[in-house]
Amino acid sequence: QVQLVESGGGVVQPGRSLRLSCAASGFSFSSYGMHWVRQAPGKGLEWVAIIWYDGGTKYHADSVKGRFTISRDNSKNTLYLQMNSLRVEDTAVYYCARELDGSGSLLGYWGQGTLVTVSS
Amino acid sequence: QSVLTQPPSASGTPGQRVTISCSGSDSTIGSNYVYWYQQLPRTAPKLLIFRNNQRPSGVPDRFSGSKSGTSASLAISGLRSEDEADYYCAAWDDTLSGHVVFGGGTKLTVL
Repeated sequence: QVQLVESGGGVVQPGRSLRLSCAASGFSFSSYGMHWVRQAPGKGLEWVAIIWYDGGTKYHADSVKGRFTISRDNSKNTLYLQMNSLRVEDTAVYYCARELDGSGSLLGYWGQGTLVTVSS
Repeated sequence: QSVLTQPPSASGTPGQRVTISCSGSDSTIGSNYVYWYQQLPRTAPKLLIFRNNQRPSGVPDRFSGSKSGTSASLAISGLRSEDEADYYCAAWDDTLSGHVVFGGGTKLTVL
């Protein structure tokens, strides 16, 4: 079955960097687009970024553009989110998610999330 | 301020039918499929409805989705205590290539 396991979260000071990873298993990773979505404490879901199955196309939300970069290594079945110049408002649980079934589908499978806390 | 608009809360008693609305625009719901997600307390979101009205295997048929124009709705019939959760709608946004937008979420309380 589809399994997505995020890691790399923790406490970091404002202005510093952090890289999140999402290990995928149970499916052909290189065949699916992947997303990052975050949820600030007590708040709703916010889409962060998407990367197509081959890594050739990426889009980032305006709130993170220029600071965050989504990437993937299909040989390692792993998705990444490089987060630079972190701000207090980036504090959230970060989820990785797989598109449901291609063909322009939205998120179908979610990981359990990893908490990022940006605080001095 | 979310691009898709949902009521912040909804409630019902066991056995009742409740609906949750999701309002968008021509570039979001008006031209794309709507997806619904259920987030139980302290857990990750889970896909509930895809492509407006399709249920993944394992989702009870008490849950149904519909779409009309630039709005969509999630209906839950035969409400149960375990349905108490946050519900989110989502869609592509054609004004921003490759961007996904979510509703602000609706907290459903089973009285």
